[in-house]
Amino acid sequence: SSELTQDPALSVALGQTVRITCQGDNLRGYYANWYQQKPGQAPVLVIYGKNKRPSGIPDRFSGSSSAGSSSGNTASLTITGAQAEDEADYYCNSRDSNGKHYVFGAGTKVTVL
Amino acid sequence: EVQLVESGGGLVQPGGSLGLSCAASGFTVSSNHMSWVRQAPGKGLEWVSVIYSGGDTYYADSVKGRFTFSRDNSKNTLYLQMNSLRAEDTAVYYCARETSLSVDTAMAYYFDYWGQGTLVTVSS
Repeated sequence: SSELTQDPALSVALGQTVRITCQGDNLRGYYANWYQQKPGQAPVLVIYGKNKRPSGIPDRFSGSSSAGSSSGNTASLTITGAQAEDEADYYCNSRDSNGKHYVFGAGTKVTVL
Repeated sequence: EVQLVESGGGLVQPGGSLGLSCAASGFTVSSNHMSWVRQAPGKGLEWVSVIYSGGDTYYADSVKGRFTFSRDNSKNTLYLQMNSLRAEDTAVYYCARETSLSVDTAMAYYFDYWGQGTLVTVSS
């Protein structure tokens, strides 16, 4: 089965920009989605598709993806002007390369300093 | 308003069985692909199983042969029957709705709504 690789932890100064990456061969054919999870809460979708935000997600969250291109297998989530409330775990996910299963990255813990 | 409410979690001994439910409102489960995703204490998210709108089911290798995903269309409710439980099945279990989107030459399949989760503890 496919795997999605994320950095375990990142830190960002308040108001600065942080980029979280997700790498996996199945990302050539499927877009990565990004979820934010705070302690004791269910995950919340923050980015899906090429760079789409669900209603209520601030525009400081943006995404990029190489899906559909044979040249890249990486997706990223960028938080521009990080706020204290953005401190959370972030997970990427997509369908597996077999198209029937799903896979999550191991998560990136973002700390806002 | 879309809502997913899981129930049925609890403490069960290794080798035992437990059934989880996920009651949906605000949409029709049989018109969507629905998944169970779990999270062991202090760990990341792990996809468990999917039931497609057409009724086909698929399972992660870690639970295949032990878990069964089903739905009752009349009750708009999903079920996860878990048998032969192991300590490593201890986790919060979430049900989630999948939505898909075609963008350029690729597809996005994403979980747009999640329940609050129900805790399953497998221990003697």
